[in-house]
Amino acid sequence: KNQVEQSPQSLIILEGKNCTLQCNYTVSPFSNLRWYKQDTGRGPVSLTIMTFSENTKSNGRYTATLDADTKQSSLHITASQLSDSASYICVVSPNFGNEKLTFGTGTRLTIIP
Amino acid sequence: EADIYQTPRYLVIGTGKKITLECSQTMGHDKMYWYQQDPGMELHLIHYSYGVNSTEKGDLSSESTVSRIRTEHFPLTLESARPSHTSQYLCASSVAGARGYGYTFGSGTRLTVV
Repeated sequence: KNQVEQSPQSLIILEGKNCTLQCNYTVSPFSNLRWYKQDTGRGPVSLTIMTFSENTKSNGRYTATLDADTKQSSLHITASQLSDSASYICVVSPNFGNEKLTFGTGTRLTIIP
Repeated sequence: EADIYQTPRYLVIGTGKKITLECSQTMGHDKMYWYQQDPGMELHLIHYSYGVNSTEKGDLSSESTVSRIRTEHFPLTLESARPSHTSQYLCASSVAGARGYGYTFGSGTRLTVV
């Protein structure tokens, strides 16, 4: 069964600190991995999309890495801000469509002042 | 600012009522999707559409139905709401062949059936 597991489930850090969120997947075949940010009560917003040939991709203070051999990805947030408080969801797809996405349950990140 | 709109944002309704959740997008996207998400849980695809008059069931079985009469509109209907339907419903859209990009979610409808 295709699965995406994220850790930690929740994380609390001080404003200004860095953090790294993890994603392990068993989806096969694999085409691309996406990270989304979901604010409470809102829909997910795309942060990065990486194919198997990409090792890293950045979007401002967000940097995602991918190791397709070990089927692991991480999302690193630099100099966290209060607005980074949200759930971060890892999503894996076997193709470039959106009908077979496997979603993780997310990491709930809370930034405290 | 997302160009995909869901209404209502919140809905509390009694058991047995018929409800329709609205989803509209102004981006001209061919593909549209409905997801169900319980608190702290992953999103599950319940319906999708490749274009006008196209509707498909997703991986998660759902008692809801959808229609796609216009490109921009993809409403979801529950004929008889039950407490088990309490959840957040998210609509999304994308351009065909967008290679994963341009996949936009609405803000969701939080449905509570009492």
